[in-house]
Amino acid sequence: QKEVEQDPGPLSVPEGAIVSLNCTYSNSAFQYFMWYRQYSRKGPELLMYTYSSGNKEDGRFTAQVDKSSKYISLFIRDSQPSDSATYLCAMSPGGGNKLVFGAGTILRVKS
Amino acid sequence: GAVVSQHPSWVICKSGTSVKIECRSLDFQATTMFWYRQFPKQSLMLMATSNEGSKATYEQGVEKDKFLINHASLTLSTLTVTSAHPEDSSFYICSADRATLLGNEQFFGPGTRLTVL
Repeated sequence: QKEVEQDPGPLSVPEGAIVSLNCTYSNSAFQYFMWYRQYSRKGPELLMYTYSSGNKEDGRFTAQVDKSSKYISLFIRDSQPSDSATYLCAMSPGGGNKLVFGAGTILRVKS
Repeated sequence: GAVVSQHPSWVICKSGTSVKIECRSLDFQATTMFWYRQFPKQSLMLMATSNEGSKATYEQGVEKDKFLINHASLTLSTLTVTSAHPEDSSFYICSADRATLLGNEQFFGPGTRLTVL
């Protein structure tokens, strides 16, 4: 079993839809949770960074962490074609530790 | 913001030659930088952790003599692929660790596409 599980998709939605992306993990030591967006042939871009359980909102993006269920989510409201990319979840036990990545979910937003 | 640059963005070389890739944190200091490799439609694979002023820590299965890493300053780490072969062709991405009050954030460079003929 992988430490971090993420459905690779692809996930295809119409423009304006609410997108839900998820990851599950097995290591209870993970404390820091991140979501990255990666466009084709580009480096990953940090979207959201959360510590421990709870919600964090930034514009159209909301990150949720449920440590009791070992489950994290990223919601994208009013999705746009420019949101089409691969979304990677990542997590680590603590500062300076190497990240453990999910496989990445390919998202396609159709106009 | 936190900006990480990589140079070159792409490189084509002949088999047997060595290629050096630079990773720079432009607006913050990074004690720790990471080097990843990514194959098409796959996630990032950590190759090594680069610490300023000390030897890099390599992941299992990564040849340290083939992938030489130097972290000479708090803003620069280099990866040299020695005696490159076609199977080394890949997308190499670095990231730099930035300390915050809540912990460390990793910011990635734009990547370097290496093609070995």
